[in-house]
Amino acid sequence: DAEITQSPRHKITETGRQVTLACHQTWNHNNMFWYRQDLGHGLRLIHYSYGVQDTNKGEVSDGYSVSRSNTEDLPLTLESAASSQTSVYFCASSESGTPKQYFGPGTRLTVT
Amino acid sequence: TQLLEQSPQFLSIQEGENLTVYCNSSSVFSSLQWYRQEPGEGPVLLVTVVTGGEVKKLKRLTFQFGDARKDSSLHITAAQPGDTGLYLCAGERGGSYIPTFGRGTSLIVHP
Repeated sequence: DAEITQSPRHKITETGRQVTLACHQTWNHNNMFWYRQDLGHGLRLIHYSYGVQDTNKGEVSDGYSVSRSNTEDLPLTLESAASSQTSVYFCASSESGTPKQYFGPGTRLTVT
Repeated sequence: TQLLEQSPQFLSIQEGENLTVYCNSSSVFSSLQWYRQEPGEGPVLLVTVVTGGEVKKLKRLTFQFGDARKDSSLHITAAQPGDTGLYLCAGERGGSYIPTFGRGTSLIVHP
């Protein structure tokens, strides 16, 4: 069965360190997304991609970057982790031409 | 300002009760999705509505899209503990296929 996976599921890091969160999907979807979920804010879009070599900023992109070298993967990098980036991060994918998204299980990141 | 307002924010009810969750906006949406998220997991799509006035049923769940495509509701009949979770609505505008999420309604159904 097709799926979308994230790793690691939990991560603790220190302020200032670079962190990369992995997202891998086997749906063969062109569109991939990264969100963060915080109490009181819901799901907020960080970055998204419509296909290989395409990346776009979402509403809360500062301090984050992504790259899309193949269809299956969209890693999210925190260049210099800050305590404000402590959150639960979700990756999602969708087919072209539809807003219906399939979500991964999430990565809980703690920045100390 | 939140584009999509969900109410109530929290709901705690007994098994067998009925409930309605609302998703409201001043904007018109091309489509609207409802997701359910259980603790420690990602959201899972329940339904998509695209036509004003549309009603969709999923077992005990009834979803309605407003006539003007600005709001939606989710009604659960005879709630069960397995319905416990965070219910999120998400609206998509203008053909971008990027949904904007509401903050969610957290539902607890007690046995």
